[in-house]
Order: sequence, then C-alpha cells, then structure tokens
Amino acid sequence: AQSVTQLGSHVSVSEGALVLLRCNYSSSVPPYLFWYVQYPNQGLQLLLKYTTGATLVKGINGFEAEFKKSETSFHLTKPSAHMSDAAEYFCAVGPSGTYKYIFGTGTRLKVLA
Amino acid sequence: KAGVTQTPRYLIKTRGQQVTLSCSPISGHRSVSWYQQTPGQGLQFLFEYFSETQRNKGNFPGRFSGRQFSNSRSEMNVSTLELGDSALYLCASSFLPYYEQYFGPGTRLTVT
Repeated sequence: AQSVTQLGSHVSVSEGALVLLRCNYSSSVPPYLFWYVQYPNQGLQLLLKYTTGATLVKGINGFEAEFKKSETSFHLTKPSAHMSDAAEYFCAVGPSGTYKYIFGTGTRLKVLA
Repeated sequence: KAGVTQTPRYLIKTRGQQVTLSCSPISGHRSVSWYQQTPGQGLQFLFEYFSETQRNKGNFPGRFSGRQFSNSRSEMNVSTLELGDSALYLCASSFLPYYEQYFGPGTRLTVT
C-alpha cells in the first residue's frame, strides 16, 4: 500500500529565507510524486511532479523538489520565501495499478515579514 | 484552456436532505476524481471515474455516490445529509488516470 507523511503541520519562515517542506512516502512500486499548493478558499494547484527521469524536479513559482529513493523522500524547497508563498502545501503519491492518489495531511506555510 | 469548473460554489443544506454537485473537467480530460476536505480529516478520496466507469472508491458510506457522463462531466450525490458531511468537495480531472490531476475550486457544503 502507498502512504505519504508530511513532517510538520505548520512551518514558519522569514521572508527571503529558505523554504523546506518535508515529505516521505511509502510505495511498493516506483511512485509518481506530486506537490500541490492550496490558497484560502481555492482548490489545489499543481506545483511540480516526478514520474521518471531526472530526480531534481523544478516547478512553478521557484519551487523544486528532489526525489531520493534511498530516503523515500520528496522534499519541497525554495531558496527565498516570498509573502505570496503563504499557503497550505500537500504532497501526494500517484496511482499505480489500482491504487488511488494518496495525499499527505498538508503543511501550512507562514511567511514572516 | 478553461480549468476545472464546479457548481455550485457554495451550498447550505439541512440534515436529511440530499445534494448533487457538478464537475466539468478540462477539455480532453477523461478521468475525474472527487475528494472531501475537512480540517480534521484532510483530503479524503471519494471516487474516481474514467470513461463513465468507476475505477476506484474510497471508504465512504453508500450515501455518497457519483457518476460520469459521456462528455466526461461528473456529478456526485450525497443522500440523507449529516452534519459531518459539511466540507469542501473538490473535483480533479486528468487526461488519463495515471496523469497529474488538476483541481477545481471546490464546492463548500454546509449542513445545518
């Protein structure tokens, strides 16, 4: 079975500081991995995805994530936080076989001025 | 290209009533999934449809049902509403079941 764990339900960073949001997954088959962002009263927006190939994935808004199979991790980073990055971020593992998408519980990012 | 649209955006219902929510996927997308999002339970998968067939179903009671039409539009229905059904219901579409999902803005359902 697949599962996703996001460490830290709330993360605060100063504007301009590094953003690091952690995600670990469990999958018996090579996973498809995703990061989504949700702004208040909106749906989820796809930030980036990993399917196969290059393990460092670049997404929108300056975010990137690295797939590390040995650590079963897919952490999301951004070198310099902006106030507009304040939102909730969800890591997800994609379907394989009959499995459905599994979402983490989310990490709410707060950016301090 | 237009995104995923969901109607209505907001809905207030009374316990015991039923409700139907609608989702129009991105043009060309044939897979539609539904999720329930609540502060306590997070994002929970309801069901997924592809080519009018339900491929996957989450752990929800039979009061929750859905369908997909030949034009890929989807509806979900909740009968005999309970207070605990108050949530944001999100629809997501993808080109094929294994592709990335694109979400609509959601329908905020409040049950009183």
